[in-house]
Amino acid sequence: DVKVTQSSRYLVKRTGEKVFLECVQDMDHENMFWYRQDPGLGLRLIYFSYDVKMKEKGDIPEGYSVSREKKERFSLILESASTNQTSMYLCASSFPFGGQPQHFGDGTRLSIL
Amino acid sequence: AQSVTQLDSQVPVFEEAPVELRCNYSSSVSVYLFWYVQYPNQGLQLLLKYLSGSTLVESINGFEAEFNKSQTSFHLRKPSVHISDTAEYFCAVSRRSGAGSYQLTFGKGTKLSVIP
Repeated sequence: DVKVTQSSRYLVKRTGEKVFLECVQDMDHENMFWYRQDPGLGLRLIYFSYDVKMKEKGDIPEGYSVSREKKERFSLILESASTNQTSMYLCASSFPFGGQPQHFGDGTRLSIL
Repeated sequence: AQSVTQLDSQVPVFEEAPVELRCNYSSSVSVYLFWYVQYPNQGLQLLLKYLSGSTLVESINGFEAEFNKSQTSFHLRKPSVHISDTAEYFCAVSRRSGAGSYQLTFGKGTKLSVIP
């Protein structure tokens, strides 16, 4: 089975802090994704990466950056956390071909105080 | 641009009753369609997918979905629900990114509540 592991289930940070969310997958997937999930809004794509060091902005990239130095690891960075970034963050990975499903981690519930 | 509309945000249903969760998509090209399920405090799990061929696809736990190209719909159904089906369900359509790879566009989700 594909395993996508997010480093923290719950995280509490303060406004202005630099926050790192880590994600690791074990299936040699080329694609990795970061989403945020908010009630009533579904999943919104923040960034995705289609190869090491390659990235593409999603629908809501403002206030976020990403890093992918190794194929199995994809990091989401909140440069200066704000309270409106309090949310559930989900990482996913997949093969790059059409019709391939994405496999999700269990999520990180991030609270910015 | 592709989009996905889940017409109901919440669906309450009694145990052992049938249920239909509706999903419509907009796309001008061939599509790949997915249903995901999210149980409380967990990530999303793939329930079923349509790639091509038979328009009726089934999951291992009794759900099925029918691809209807003329109505651009991919509704999810189950003839008899169980308490354990209580979860949030997301419909998604595959789209090609600017980099040539594939992403998913998700609907806003439907919360299914099964009442004993």
